[in-house]
Amino acid sequence: GQNIDQPTEMTATEGAIVQINCTYQTSGFNGLFWYQQHAGEAPTFLSYNVLDGLEEKGRFSSFLSRSKGYSYLLLKELQMKDSASYLCAVKDSNYQLIWGAGTKLIIKP
Amino acid sequence: GAVVSQHPSWVICKSGTSVKIECRSLDFQATTMFWYRQFPKQSLMLMATSNEGSKATYEQGVEKDKFLINHASLTLSTLTVTSAHPEDSSFYICSASSGRASETQYFGPGTRLLVL
Repeated sequence: GQNIDQPTEMTATEGAIVQINCTYQTSGFNGLFWYQQHAGEAPTFLSYNVLDGLEEKGRFSSFLSRSKGYSYLLLKELQMKDSASYLCAVKDSNYQLIWGAGTKLIIKP
Repeated sequence: GAVVSQHPSWVICKSGTSVKIECRSLDFQATTMFWYRQFPKQSLMLMATSNEGSKATYEQGVEKDKFLINHASLTLSTLTVTSAHPEDSSFYICSASSGRASETQYFGPGTRLLVL
């Protein structure tokens, strides 16, 4: 079966750095996405990785290792507004998006 | 760019009525649109995928006669919840992509449905 694993919940301190991991087992791979979802709102797109390596976009970076079936989202200089759920999703060989359950990130002052 | 709108954002209706939700891509042509449902504190659940001009593909367990999807143009898809019941109360979210297989899905703001 297809599976996306990410931690259920993480806590970090304002101003710090946090890394949210995602491991996947899918039938084929056509890219990995990270989305941010604030409580009560729809997801917003953060990043897309299809090749191995690190993609940096401001305070957020996303890393991919296809051989290990592994990605992480790195958030730097954490702000209170970063408190949200972070969703990892993978496109399989049929280009269907397989969703992880999301990681709830709690930022403390 | 890549803005998706949804209307209405909130619906409260009586049991047995039908509710139509619109999803529009405002600045791009959405060959493919997706409808999701999300219950409180749960993950997104894909209900169906619709391609412009063709019938929607429903996920297992989703009743196609209850959740009618129409994708009549490259910028508009509608979801109609027919004969809604309290258990249909949920957060309904659409997303759209330009249709190339690798394209990102961009989400609308969602519609909260409360069936009394």
